Amino acid sequence: AQSVSQHNHHVILSEAASLELGCNYSYGGTVNLFWYVQYPGQHLQLLLKYFSGDPLVKGIKGFEAEFIKSKFSFNLRKPSVQWSDTAEYFCAVKIYNQGGKLIFGQGTELSVKP
Amino acid sequence: NAGVTQTPKFQVLKTGQSMTLQCAQDMNHEYMSWYRQDPGMGLRLIHYSVGAGITDQGEVPNGYNVSRSTTEDFPLRLLSAAPSQTSVYFCASTTTGGVNEQFFGPGTRLTVL
Repeated sequence: AQSVSQHNHHVILSEAASLELGCNYSYGGTVNLFWYVQYPGQHLQLLLKYFSGDPLVKGIKGFEAEFIKSKFSFNLRKPSVQWSDTAEYFCAVKIYNQGGKLIFGQGTELSVKP
Repeated sequence: NAGVTQTPKFQVLKTGQSMTLQCAQDMNHEYMSWYRQDPGMGLRLIHYSVGAGITDQGEVPNGYNVSRSTTEDFPLRLLSAAPSQTSVYFCASTTTGGVNEQFFGPGTRLTVL
């Protein structure tokens, strides 16, 4: 069965530190990839998405992600985090031609210390 | 557009009670889905629908029923609530074509005592 794995469950960083959150998926065919963010007490919001073309995708709030097909990975990065980035981050995969169904990773909780 | 709306925001039930979580979207999306979110487990798909009159099971369907009589509404029914159903429930919608992301509702926090 297809699955999505996020390696870090809880990451603690100081402000201005660089961030990289890992995401790997298990499916050999065409996929669309997403990162969502959930701020405390709020619903999920889209950070960025990849569907084709340039494997380096830029999203909102200075986030970016790189799709490496050979590694089945879609890692999220930010050069310098802020306290306001404290949230839970979810990687999700949509299998091509399977409608709108998303498969989510377990989530990574990011805590940024001021 | 209101996007995806969910009611209620909070609910406390006793074991064995039934209830319906409401979800509506005004974006004319074909695809709608229900997820539950539990700590350390991400979002797990309960049921989904690709259009009015069509529903299917997701990863964790037991104890839940759905129906889709209109494009806009996709209610989730708990027939006999159990403590294991204590969770946060999110409804989402999207178009089935293209690479549009899912839009999420604000969630319903359910506690079953």
